[in-house]
Amino acid sequence: KQEVTQIPAALSVPEGENLVLNCSFTDSAIYNLQWFRQDPGKGLTSLLLIQSSQREQTSGRLNASLDKSSGRSTLYIAASQPGDSATYLCAVVNTDKLIFGTGTRLQVFP
Amino acid sequence: DAGVIQSPRHEVTEMGQEVTLRCKPISGHNSLFWYRQTMMRGLELLIYFNNNVPIDDSGMPEDRFSAKMPNASFSTLKIQPSEPRDSAVYFCASNPTSSGEQFFGPGTRLTVL
Repeated sequence: KQEVTQIPAALSVPEGENLVLNCSFTDSAIYNLQWFRQDPGKGLTSLLLIQSSQREQTSGRLNASLDKSSGRSTLYIAASQPGDSATYLCAVVNTDKLIFGTGTRLQVFP
Repeated sequence: DAGVIQSPRHEVTEMGQEVTLRCKPISGHNSLFWYRQTMMRGLELLIYFNNNVPIDDSGMPEDRFSAKMPNASFSTLKIQPSEPRDSAVYFCASNPTSSGEQFFGPGTRLTVL
């Protein structure tokens, strides 16, 4: 059974820092991995999708990497801003289903 | 595109009542997913459809839960009878292919008193 874990569970940093959020999964037979952002009381916004054949994806200040063999993905946020404060979720696709991690709650203070 | 549309956004009901949640996926998307999010259990997949056909309903907690997708542009999740432990945020998501990027609706916050 696929299990997805995110570390750390919570993170509080000053504005301007570069951040790394970690995601690990137990079954490397995945189709893709998706990173989401969730603001309090809101839905999920897709940030990046990495196909199983890819090593990384970039969007603006965000860079996500994937190492299937070790069962890990990282989300790198450059030059963090208070507007980045949210919960970040990673999810892997096994067959057709998304299996979500527990999330990292990020707070960026001015 | 309007994105995935869910209604209602908030629902407050009393125990024992029937609750119906609605979802309109993004036009052209072939797969539709229903999720439930709680503090205790995080995000859980309840059921998903591919081309309007239910593929996996193993996440549906009990027979009190049922879901339908009568056509490509509409799905319902029904709880009958509702119980306080059903209180959660229910999300609908769709994607163009079953293993592609999923797009989520804003969710329905359900409170069962």
